[in-house]
Amino acid sequence: SQQGEEDPQALSIQEGENATMNCSYKTSINNLQWYRQNSGRGLVHLILIRSNEREKHSGRLRVTLDTSKKSSSLLITASRAADTASYFCATEQTSGSRLTFGEGTQLTVNP
Amino acid sequence: GAVVSQHPSWVICKSGTSVKIECRSLDFQATTMFWYRQFPKQSLMLMATSNEGSKATYEQGVEKDKFLINHASLTLSTLTVTSAHPEDSSFYICSAERTGYSYEQYFGPGTRLTVT
Repeated sequence: SQQGEEDPQALSIQEGENATMNCSYKTSINNLQWYRQNSGRGLVHLILIRSNEREKHSGRLRVTLDTSKKSSSLLITASRAADTASYFCATEQTSGSRLTFGEGTQLTVNP
Repeated sequence: GAVVSQHPSWVICKSGTSVKIECRSLDFQATTMFWYRQFPKQSLMLMATSNEGSKATYEQGVEKDKFLINHASLTLSTLTVTSAHPEDSSFYICSAERTGYSYEQYFGPGTRLTVT
C-alpha cells in the first residue's frame, strides 16, 4: 500500500522560481529518497536522506527530513524548463529494502 | 556505472497471449530485483520482489500465476504476463538492488505494455 502522500499533486511555476514539494509518510523509515520521472520514462534517483539526517543538498536540490512529523520536502531552486517532470518520494522502512512510493507531484516549469 | 536495462521498451500484444519483459543489471550484480507497475498519472505500485535462485515474493492482490517472475541469474530477472488482458496495459518498471549495498536501487527505463 502507498504510505507516501505528496503535495501538491501538481505545481506550475515560471522559470527561475523555486519549487517546493512535500511528502508525508506513516511508518518509521530507514531513509527517504526522491526520484524524478519524465513522462513515459524510467526513474532517476535524485537524492537520499537517512533517518538521522535533517537536511541535504545536491546542486540546486535541497531536501529536508522531519522524522517527528514524518515529512520531507524537496526544494528545487532557480527552476528551469528542463525540470518539468513528476517527482516522487520513496521511503525505505526499517524492516527491509523495499521502497514505498508517494503519489508524486507533477511539476511544470514554464519558460 | 549501475545501469539497468529493460527489454522491450514497448510491446503491443493481443488479448490472451503472453509477454515476457526482461530486466538486466548491466554492470553490477543484483541479488534482488523489484517489479513495479505504473498506470497513467499514478505512482509506482510494487508488484513483487525477485530474489536470485528463489521464488519471488508477491504483494497482496498480485496474482503470481498471472505475473510469472524468474530470477535465474545475478543480472537478469524476467516478468511474464500470462494470458494478457487489456486491463494489464500499463508501464512496467524494474529496479535492481546492488548486491551488498541495500541502499542502492537502480531503475530500468520501463516497458510500456499495450494489450489489444
